[in-house]
Amino acid sequence: DGGITQSPKYLFRKEGQNVTLSCEQNLNHDAMYWYRQDPGQGLRLIYYSQIVNDFQKGDIAEGYSVSREKKESFPLTVTSAQKNPTAFYLCASTDRTGSYGYTFGSGTRLTVV
Amino acid sequence: AQSVSQHNHHVILSEAASLELGCNYSYGGTVNLFWYVQYPGQHLQLLLKYFSGDPLVKGIKGFEAEFIKSKFSFNLRKPSVQWSDTAEYFCASTGVLGYTDKLIFGTGTRLQVFP
Repeated sequence: DGGITQSPKYLFRKEGQNVTLSCEQNLNHDAMYWYRQDPGQGLRLIYYSQIVNDFQKGDIAEGYSVSREKKESFPLTVTSAQKNPTAFYLCASTDRTGSYGYTFGSGTRLTVV
Repeated sequence: AQSVSQHNHHVILSEAASLELGCNYSYGGTVNLFWYVQYPGQHLQLLLKYFSGDPLVKGIKGFEAEFIKSKFSFNLRKPSVQWSDTAEYFCASTGVLGYTDKLIFGTGTRLQVFP
């Protein structure tokens, strides 16, 4: 079945460490997105990529970095510069037109200890 | 900047009551509009979407939404809710720029339905 796989499901990080969250899709979608979900704040866009080797900052990109070297993969690195990284992170993808809606992964819960 | 507003943060209803959740978007051009639902511990699921055509959109599980361009609104409705509708509901929009644009979400509405 086609879909988006995010790993790991749970991640613990010590303060000052960088961590990378994985997002892989086998839907042949062009566009991929990273969102952060916090209670009462909905989903906020971190980064998005509409095509391989290109990506744009979303509304809360500070302290995060991404790469898009392959169409099916869009990893997110949470750097030590991110002041409040504990959150639920969701990856999404859509086709070129967006007409079929966006497919979401099951998320990664990151906790800083 | 493009934005989506959901004014109801927490709604509590009894089973069989009618539901209307408000959503307003700010983008002045052509928009695509979505409602997503997130049941406790589950993925985000698409309830319905509006791209063009009939402004009254029917989705899954008996939900519908009406696009009113003059009011920049896309409110979600259900005539009779069930306990299983307890979830968080998100309105979202994209602008149409000839390519896939970013999907912007509202802050969500938590719905609790009591038997």
